[in-house]
Amino acid sequence: DAGVTQSPTHLIKTRGQHVTLRCSPISGHKSVSWYQQVLGQGPQFIFQYYEKEERGRGNFPDRFSARQFPNYSSELNVNALLLGDSALYLCASSLAIIQETQYFGPGTRLLVL
Amino acid sequence: EDQVTQSPEALRLQEGESSSLNCSYTVSGLRGLFWYRQDPGKGPEFLFTLYSAGEEKEKERLKATLTKKESFLHITAPKPEDSATYLCAVLPGSARQLTFGSGTQLTVLP
Repeated sequence: DAGVTQSPTHLIKTRGQHVTLRCSPISGHKSVSWYQQVLGQGPQFIFQYYEKEERGRGNFPDRFSARQFPNYSSELNVNALLLGDSALYLCASSLAIIQETQYFGPGTRLLVL
Repeated sequence: EDQVTQSPEALRLQEGESSSLNCSYTVSGLRGLFWYRQDPGKGPEFLFTLYSAGEEKEKERLKATLTKKESFLHITAPKPEDSATYLCAVLPGSARQLTFGSGTQLTVLP
């Protein structure tokens, strides 16, 4: 069975640019969450989407946005990139909105220069 | 505010030397506590979910336990392939997202 997939695996951008990260959940999972993980720290929650609606938002600026498509895949968009946005961006999927066990993808490593 | 603290930050063991990792938490109404394993540059791999104090779960050389204030991940006779960062996360009763600790970086030397 295919797990959570993310693309691209690595990305290098410069300050002020925009980036779009993509995620496909496990088949049958309707909830997708996005996390940011800075080196040496645990993942921090950014967004949760369920049935194409935003159901939760973490403490991140409005430069971060996301959406979920009818096939339950999701995109995370970050505008006006800052050096501090350099991190591993993780997508996790779960069966339902009350997320109990979440399964993570391999992540997208973003470097902002 | 929900908080998760993991200790130690780093742990080096000889192969076969058993030990325990600690995850202490303060949360309003725990719905679940999760352990994940993360290899460098990869996404976290799910290990266990614990729901109530007194619960225990095992998988190969790993055993997770839960009390009302902390969880332990016991590693019995570890092997070098157990080297990874182990993350603990809680799902509060009032929230829909996981709150993670900073992890314990485990190194098992041959």
